[in-house]
Amino acid sequence: GAGVSQSPRYKVAKRGQDVALRCDPISGHVSLFWYQQALGQGPEFLTYFQNEAQLDKSGLPSDRFFAERPEGSVSTLKIQRTQQEDSAVYLCASSLPGRGQNSPLHFGNGTRLTVT
Amino acid sequence: RKEVEQDPGPFNVPEGATVAFNCTYSNSASQSFFWYRQDCRKEPKLLMSVYSSGNEDGRFTAQLNRASQYISLLIRDSKLSDSATYLCVVNDEGRDDKIIFGKGTRLHILP
Repeated sequence: GAGVSQSPRYKVAKRGQDVALRCDPISGHVSLFWYQQALGQGPEFLTYFQNEAQLDKSGLPSDRFFAERPEGSVSTLKIQRTQQEDSAVYLCASSLPGRGQNSPLHFGNGTRLTVT
Repeated sequence: RKEVEQDPGPFNVPEGATVAFNCTYSNSASQSFFWYRQDCRKEPKLLMSVYSSGNEDGRFTAQLNRASQYISLLIRDSKLSDSATYLCVVNDEGRDDKIIFGKGTRLHILP
């Protein structure tokens, strides 16, 4: 399909395990965002890329979280030494270049991470 | 003050009624505003952009009040299928296009 693709759809990790979440944005979308959504909450911003450049990582909750987009397309969000509070849905979104009304976000289905 | 604030609800509204909710934002330099809809266990999807002059899409009307820094969403003749969480979204273009979500307002349409 032509939408944003995320994998895996579900991930169960034991506390202390490292995980890697993948996002494949819509082709041609320059901007890529990662969000964390806890149950009953709105998506919380984690980080933002424009092509391969990570322009904002102010939302990453700790240095255990790392994101990359080395070729300006696929992005990976890595969480090291997972903790129970990391359990959430991780949403990836992409948008066209430019700003404003012409750049709504298109979301993937998300990865539901459960840390046991 | 949170960057984007919404009443979490839930709003329980009978089918056919009109419902409205607001969202306030803290950054007066924000330029772009959206309403997204999120169904349970699904990803958010764009409902409508919010333009300065206000805009309408069928039963949905969005308005922006820059002076008071809020946006609103009005749903007329509500349907059961309108039950969802409505997320207010602000694009802080002054900060490299950081897009901020509110926590969402839950809407339940009652038969």
